[in-house]
Parts: sequence; structure tokens; C-alpha cells
Amino acid sequence: NAGVTQTPKFRILKIGQSMTLQCAQDMNHNYMYWYRQDPGMGLKLIYYSVGAGITDKGEVPNGYNVSRSTTEDFPLRLELAAPSQTSVYFCASSYSPQGSNNQPQHFGDGTRLSIL
Amino acid sequence: GQNIDQPTEMTATEGAIVQINCTYQTSGFNGLFWYQQHAGEAPTFLSYNVLDGLEEKGRFSSFLSRSKGYSYLLLKELQMKDSASYLCAVLDSNYQLIWGAGTKLIIKP
Repeated sequence: NAGVTQTPKFRILKIGQSMTLQCAQDMNHNYMYWYRQDPGMGLKLIYYSVGAGITDKGEVPNGYNVSRSTTEDFPLRLELAAPSQTSVYFCASSYSPQGSNNQPQHFGDGTRLSIL
Repeated sequence: GQNIDQPTEMTATEGAIVQINCTYQTSGFNGLFWYQQHAGEAPTFLSYNVLDGLEEKGRFSSFLSRSKGYSYLLLKELQMKDSASYLCAVLDSNYQLIWGAGTKLIIKP
């Protein structure tokens, strides 16, 4: 079982560059999420999606965009990279909303992104 | 505002028992999760509590008191592989997961 797959695992960007972080899940989960985790901090929700064609902002959406054209894929786009976006990015999915009813979120291995 | 508090770091001895506390203030409550996160890895699910009381899963147990806004994770018979960060997360009234900063647990031989 692949679960949640994120690519790339590591990336260094220059200020102002753009890139897309890929996320795919093969569990047929409707709910998908993008988080960032800064050192010593908890996870902050960037964007989430409750199904194909539907996305919504989380706690820290500025500087990011997402799309959800299929159930499986949920890419995260950085248009103009800034040093403040240096972080570890995790994609997650769940069967039910935010992991309710004892259905936890399943996480990808993360993308470590540095903006220099 | 919404807030989840956990100790930043704890140290325990191999074979011992450790209790990691979590207190929360959120707009509504629809459940509390504990996740384990080894350094450089993704969080993995440990437990879920929505009713008051203790849930036991092998060496790990999780307790919830909704009236006190309090939970703890109890780890017994500690092993070196239990060295990790433990994240507390609360599902609020909008079914948004609010995450604590995590407790780094260091196990010494």
C-alpha cells in the first residue's frame, strides 16, 4: 500500500521562484490537507479539500494555491517563494472530515523546502 | 483564541512509565488525537478520545476529561524506540484539527 505519496522529498528554491509540491493518495479518501511544520512548532493547516473540485483555506493560506482535479491528487503551488516559506510540508488524507469518528489522518513523508 | 498546551520536552528512563499532558481551549470539541512523530518523519496516529475516560492500546493509554479540557498520554515499559515527539490535536466545532506544538520525549538507558 502506497498510502500518501509526496514529491519531492527535498528542494532548495531561490527567492521569487515558483514550484509545485505533489501529493497523491491511493486510499480513495475524499478529504485531503496540506500542512506546514516549522521547527519546534505544531502543524499549521494551509489548505484542505473535501472532494474533487472543492478546496478551502486553512489557517495560513497566504502565498500558496491548491487545486483538486481528481480524488487522488492535491498539489500545492508556491508562486513567489519567500524565506518565510522555508518549512517542512506535509500532505495528509482522511476518510472522514479532519479525521473524525476515529478515522485518523494519514500523512505523507513530507517535503523539506528551503528558500534562499 | 484556540490553544493547546503541552510540555516542550520530557526525559524518562527505559522501562519506566511517562505521562504526557495536554490541555486545550478550543471553540467546541469533537475529539482529541494523539500522534507520534519520529525526528524527520511524518506523524503517525496513536489514539483518539471523544468521551471521558481512559482508552488503552497495549503499552499506550490515553485519557480525556472534557470538563477540564485535559488529556494525557501514558506510555508504559518505555523502549528506546519511543523517543519521539508526541502531538496532541483537538477537533473543534468546525471539524478543524488544532495541533499542539508537540512534546519531545527523550528516553535514556
